[in-house]
Amino acid sequence: GENVEQHPSTLSVQEGDSAVIKCTYSDSASNYFPWYKQELGKRPQLIIDIRSNVGEKKDQRIAVTLNKTAKHFSLHITETQPEDSAVYFCAASISTGNQFYFGTGTSLTVIP
Amino acid sequence: KAGVTQTPRYLIKTRGQQVTLSCSPISGHRSVSWYQQTPGQGLQFLFEYFSETQRNKGNFPGRFSGRQFSNSRSEMNVSTLELGDSALYLCASTGTLNTGELFFGEGSRLTVL
Repeated sequence: GENVEQHPSTLSVQEGDSAVIKCTYSDSASNYFPWYKQELGKRPQLIIDIRSNVGEKKDQRIAVTLNKTAKHFSLHITETQPEDSAVYFCAASISTGNQFYFGTGTSLTVIP
Repeated sequence: KAGVTQTPRYLIKTRGQQVTLSCSPISGHRSVSWYQQTPGQGLQFLFEYFSETQRNKGNFPGRFSGRQFSNSRSEMNVSTLELGDSALYLCASTGTLNTGELFFGEGSRLTVL
């Protein structure tokens, strides 16, 4: 089955700096890569996603890049703010059903 | 529109017991999936149901089972509980057939003593 690895497990940045979280996947059949944000005590929520026919996608301060050849994708957060502090999970899925393989999460702390 | 509702939110069981967790998806969503969340392991896929049929199953022992009813509500059952089953169990519903956005419930936190 699919295996998703995520790094780093913890990340601290100064407010205003950028944060990058990286994930690799093993199954070349995976074609959908969402990112979820989970604030402390809250449920995970989708923040951005990318499909395998696209190399990059941006939404305001958040961007995701995908390298299908290398089987890795990354989340980029620019101009970080304290409210960006949360655990971020990457995930991968193939197009049969809604089964997702998640990374182990990155705990991001933005220091004011 | 109401979100995904999970009950109970918290429960404590002892080893060997069994537990049933319930999930009511967003109205109109026919796909319901279950994940186990533990510190350091992230979210691990248990199974997915669509229109009362199990479509996908993760790598968990047979003690973990589930079902979905005609109104899309789902239940998962864990029999013969082990200490390692202590976790947050998250249910998510999706409004699409494949690779859709997961709308998570707040989870059921199970503690096994």
